[in-house]
Amino acid sequence: SQQGEEDPQALSIQEGENATMNCSYKTSINNLQWYRQNSGRGLVHLILIRSNEREKHSGRLRVTLDTSKKSSSLLITASRAADTASYFCATAPSGTYKYIFGTGTRLKVLA
Amino acid sequence: DGGITQSPKYLFRKEGQNVTLSCEQNLNHDAMYWYRQDPGQGLRLIYYSQIVNDFQKGDIAEGYSVSREKKESFPLTVTSAQKNPTAFYLCASSIGQDEAFFGQGTRLTVV
Repeated sequence: SQQGEEDPQALSIQEGENATMNCSYKTSINNLQWYRQNSGRGLVHLILIRSNEREKHSGRLRVTLDTSKKSSSLLITASRAADTASYFCATAPSGTYKYIFGTGTRLKVLA
Repeated sequence: DGGITQSPKYLFRKEGQNVTLSCEQNLNHDAMYWYRQDPGQGLRLIYYSQIVNDFQKGDIAEGYSVSREKKESFPLTVTSAQKNPTAFYLCASSIGQDEAFFGQGTRLTVV
C-alpha cells in the first residue's frame, strides 16, 4: 500500500530554473515530510509541514500542503547542479508511526 | 557525535543463509524503522518500532525479522524465506513523528 506518490517521476532542468514536484497521499495525516537522497546514500530530511499548515519555507525550498486534496508540492527555486538527487515525500496515517515513502522524483539539474 | 550507524556497508549472502543487518543510534530516539529500496525505486517499509520491546510489521515484512531489546539498537534479520533479498536496506530513527534520521545503508547481495 503506497501511501504517497510523487510526480513527475523524473525532471530535468537547467541551472537557475525552478523545480516543482508533487506528492499525493491517501489517509489523514499529522504531518508530511520531504527528503532528499543522493545516489546510493541515505536520506536527508529537508522539511516537515504539519497538517494545520498550508505553506512553509526553508531557504530555497517552499512546501505547500492541501489536506482537502491530500496533496503537497515541493518547489526548489534557483536550482543548482548540486540539487541533483531523488526527492521523496513521506506520510503516516494519523496516530501511527507507519511512515510510508512515495516513489520519488529524480531531479537532474544541468549546469 | 550523535547519529545512526548501519553495518556492514556491503553484505553478501549465500542462498539459504540468514543474515543480520545492524542498526545503532545514539540520538535517544524512541522510534526506529527499516526500509528496503530496490534500484530506481522508492522505499518500502519492512518493520518499525515505537518503543523498546515492541515492533510492528510494515508493508513487506515477510521473510524478515527484527528485535528491539535496547532503545539504541534495531537489528534486521533477512531469513532464507526472503526469496529476493538483494536490495539496499535503510534504517532510520525519530522522536515521535518528527524528522527521521537515516543511516548510510547496507547493500545486500545474494551470491
